Amino acid sequence: NAGVMQNPRHLVRRRGQEARLRCSPMKGHSHVYWYRQLPEEGLKFMVYLQKENIIDESGMPKERFSAEFPKEGPSILRIQQVVRGDSAAYFCASSPPSQANTEAFFGQGTRLTVV
Amino acid sequence: AQSVTQLDSQVPVFEEAPVELRCNYSSSVSVYLFWYVQYPNQGLQLLLKYLSGSTLVKGINGFEAEFNKSQTSFHLRKPSVHISDTAEYFCAVTEGGSTLGRLYFGRGTQLTVWP
Repeated sequence: NAGVMQNPRHLVRRRGQEARLRCSPMKGHSHVYWYRQLPEEGLKFMVYLQKENIIDESGMPKERFSAEFPKEGPSILRIQQVVRGDSAAYFCASSPPSQANTEAFFGQGTRLTVV
Repeated sequence: AQSVTQLDSQVPVFEEAPVELRCNYSSSVSVYLFWYVQYPNQGLQLLLKYLSGSTLVKGINGFEAEFNKSQTSFHLRKPSVHISDTAEYFCAVTEGGSTLGRLYFGRGTQLTVWP
């Protein structure tokens, strides 16, 4: 059973470009979470999605950031018009529909560098 | 919202010495607690978790942690460390009744084990 797959692992964008980060959850998992890790800091929650629904986006910046988890295909975190401050590691985690005593599993992250 | 404090940003120790990594969280009626480990350029791997029951929790790689409700702490311990334990360690908490993927993280503790 493959783990949570994120791609690309590394992404370089120029200021003003768009960044699209993809996350394929573990098989059978329908809950996806995105986290951002800035240098020298812990992970900060961004958004929680279930299939076709955003459940909690309280950690998402109000502008330029969006996320989706369509019925088919991976979850996408999209950052428009990137700025240097967006440089960070972005982690995706997934969990199964039944939440009883089941932690989320993390992917290896996408490291975004804005130049 | 929860907050998590990891009191030490860096902990250097010699191989085979004991280690304790400290974690405190803000009070809540009920919480679930986790310790994750992150190796360089990797994702997060769950070391152990406390959901209910015994306050002493044993995890992988010889680590254990004790939940202390009165002190709102969840310190991580290992009686004898190896060089391979060198990594970043994150304490995380989620509120009871929440999905286990909606986590509040501490800033991390870098454990460095010297030969």
